[in-house]
Amino acid sequence: GAVVSQHPSWVICKSGTSVKIECRSLDFQATTMFWYRQFPKQSLMLMATSNEGSKATYEQGVEKDKFLINHASLTLSTLTVTSAHPEDSSFYICSASSPGTHTGVGFFGQGTRLTVV
Amino acid sequence: QKEVEQDPGPLSVPEGAIVSLNCTYSNSAFQYFMWYRQYSRKGPELLMYTYSSGNKEDGRFTAQVDKSSKYISLFIRDSQPSDSATYLCATGSGNTPLVFGKGTRLSVIA
Repeated sequence: GAVVSQHPSWVICKSGTSVKIECRSLDFQATTMFWYRQFPKQSLMLMATSNEGSKATYEQGVEKDKFLINHASLTLSTLTVTSAHPEDSSFYICSASSPGTHTGVGFFGQGTRLTVV
Repeated sequence: QKEVEQDPGPLSVPEGAIVSLNCTYSNSAFQYFMWYRQYSRKGPELLMYTYSSGNKEDGRFTAQVDKSSKYISLFIRDSQPSDSATYLCATGSGNTPLVFGKGTRLSVIA
C-alpha cells in the first residue's frame, strides 16, 4: 500500500506560539491531501482538503486563519496551527489518496499529538 | 440521518471468537468501502477496501458490501488479543473526502 509519513509524531508548545505539522506521501504523488482532527474516543473530524498548487478548502467551523495549510508540492502538505491555545490540543492526522489502483482509498499518516501548555 | 452509522461498542469477545462489525450508509453514490484499524494514539491503518459490491478476504479478515441494503461488514475469524483496537468503516467516491463511521472499540480477551 501507499505510505504517508507525518512529522512530528508529538509536540508540546507554549500557548501563543505556532506549530507546523508535515504530511508527506513517500511513494506516490498526491494532488489532494486531507487533514483531520480527532478527540479522545471520537471519530475523525475533517478539517480541510489540501490541493496542490491552490488554496485549501476548509470545512464549516474551521478557522482558516488559525489552521494554515500549504500544499506546495505533490508530496508535501503542511498544517500550521497559529497562536496555539490549550483548546487546540488534539490529535491531528493527514491522509492522501494514491492515484491508480487505489484511487478513492485513503492512506493515513501516523498522526501528530499536539499539546499546548 | 448521518451518512455513515456505526455502533461504537465497546465490543468484548474471547480469544478465538468470530467478530462481526457493521456499518450502514445513506449515500448511494459511494463506491469505495474501507475498513481501518486504529490503535490508541496512532493513525488509522487501512485493513481492507472494496470497490462497489461484493466480498473480499485477506487472511482472517473478510469484508462484505451489500449496496442494495447499504450495509458494510467486517468479519474477523479466530480473533486475537492483538486485534484489540478501534475499527472504523469509511466510504467515499473518487478523490473526495472519506466519510467515516464513529468507530467500534473491540477488545479480545485472552
